[in-house]
Amino acid sequence: EAGVAQSPRYKIIEKRQSVAFWCNPISGHATLYWYQQILGQGPKLLIQFQNNGVVDDSQLPKDRFSAERLKGVDSTLKIQPAKLEDSAVYLCASSLEGGGTVTQYFGPGTRLLVL
Amino acid sequence: AQSVAQPEDQVNVAEGNPLTVKCTYSVSGNPYLFWYVQYPNRGLQFLLKYITGDNLVKGSYGFEAEFNKSQTSFHLKKPSALVSDSALYFCAVRGYNYGQNFVFGPGTRLSVLP
Repeated sequence: EAGVAQSPRYKIIEKRQSVAFWCNPISGHATLYWYQQILGQGPKLLIQFQNNGVVDDSQLPKDRFSAERLKGVDSTLKIQPAKLEDSAVYLCASSLEGGGTVTQYFGPGTRLLVL
Repeated sequence: AQSVAQPEDQVNVAEGNPLTVKCTYSVSGNPYLFWYVQYPNRGLQFLLKYITGDNLVKGSYGFEAEFNKSQTSFHLKKPSALVSDSALYFCAVRGYNYGQNFVFGPGTRLSVLP
């Protein structure tokens, strides 16, 4: 079974530029999550999708971050404009459903450096 | 609000010795508790979870964890550590009540010394 795919693996941009990350979840997984993991910290949930609808985006900085999952499969997370503090690893995860007992499966992450 | 504490940034243990990585949590209602491991330049891998039932949960790679409701703890354990267990370990919690989402602890770096 193929795992969660993410691209690119690494990205370096200058502040005020825009950047986009892509995630393809495990086939058949209805729920998709985007996390931000700053160096030395645990992952922080940014947004959770159930199929193509948003379940929770309470911690997404909506003035600069946006995410979509138009067809209920793959997803894109965008930052525009980027700030220095956005430097982090962006992790995508998926699960069969969105309940509290489910196991999340994580992709390898995209490491973003904002200069 | 939900929170997870991992009181030790770093745990060092000799190969073959038992290991414990500590986790305490705060959540409204009953908790769902998880342990994940992260190897360098890789995403998080699921180890085990507690949902309900037996307080001792067994997971992947010989790891187990014990849920202690009175102490609000969910410590990760392994009877005999391997050098290959060296990695970053994250505890996570989600509350049973509607509207609560996953919260991860800050992580504990485990080093198993040969």
